[in-house]
Amino acid sequence: DSGVTQTPKHLITATGQRVTLRCSPRSGDLSVYWYQQSLDQGLQFLIQYYNGEERAKGNILERFSAQQFPDLHSELNLSSLELGDSALYFCASSSGTGQHRNTEAFFGQGTRLTVV
Amino acid sequence: DAKTTQPPSMDCAEGRAANLPCNHSTISGNEYVYWYRQIHSQGPQYIIHGLKNNETNEMASLIITEDRKSSTLILPHATLRDTAVYYCIVRVSGGYQKVTFGIGTKLQVIP
Repeated sequence: DSGVTQTPKHLITATGQRVTLRCSPRSGDLSVYWYQQSLDQGLQFLIQYYNGEERAKGNILERFSAQQFPDLHSELNLSSLELGDSALYFCASSSGTGQHRNTEAFFGQGTRLTVV
Repeated sequence: DAKTTQPPSMDCAEGRAANLPCNHSTISGNEYVYWYRQIHSQGPQYIIHGLKNNETNEMASLIITEDRKSSTLILPHATLRDTAVYYCIVRVSGGYQKVTFGIGTKLQVIP
């Protein structure tokens, strides 16, 4: 158990719909990262938050957005869903950035999104 | 962040050492080498990391060449439970921003 909790574990929804994926980081971790993994693909970095602020953005679509709340949990919002958005979405957390160097990231078990 | 190159797949006999190579020829002086693995479709699991010295922990050993352009992850006695995809990434200190894991090496441990 990594200590990172993602809900829901599975999600099936129709094209055009909007969903929200939730991530609770490990206790004390300030950084949250979101990754997308399509079938037989590597993990693609989407976005990073640190203590409530966006710190880095990867190849995240404009239809996707995220935020980190004061209690440090994070949500990834996916809208106008398309079939190609079907994937595993992972959240990871680490203790920090900047002065907190070389801290490994701990990954949750992912949310499997299926768009039909 | 520097990119890495790994063989797409490898086999290893159970009980033998598994040596997984990674090329990172464009690594910068302040970039660390990290290894993760992903068993089936579970969340990736941290294994080990290093800068320039060889490292060992309870899971594996990491050997980094003197020029830091390549590294090898060693699982000393592979078991069936080590069957997984192994990812080698390099990153600067201070976070995982914009690090994409690539497709890694699919290690199959054979009975």
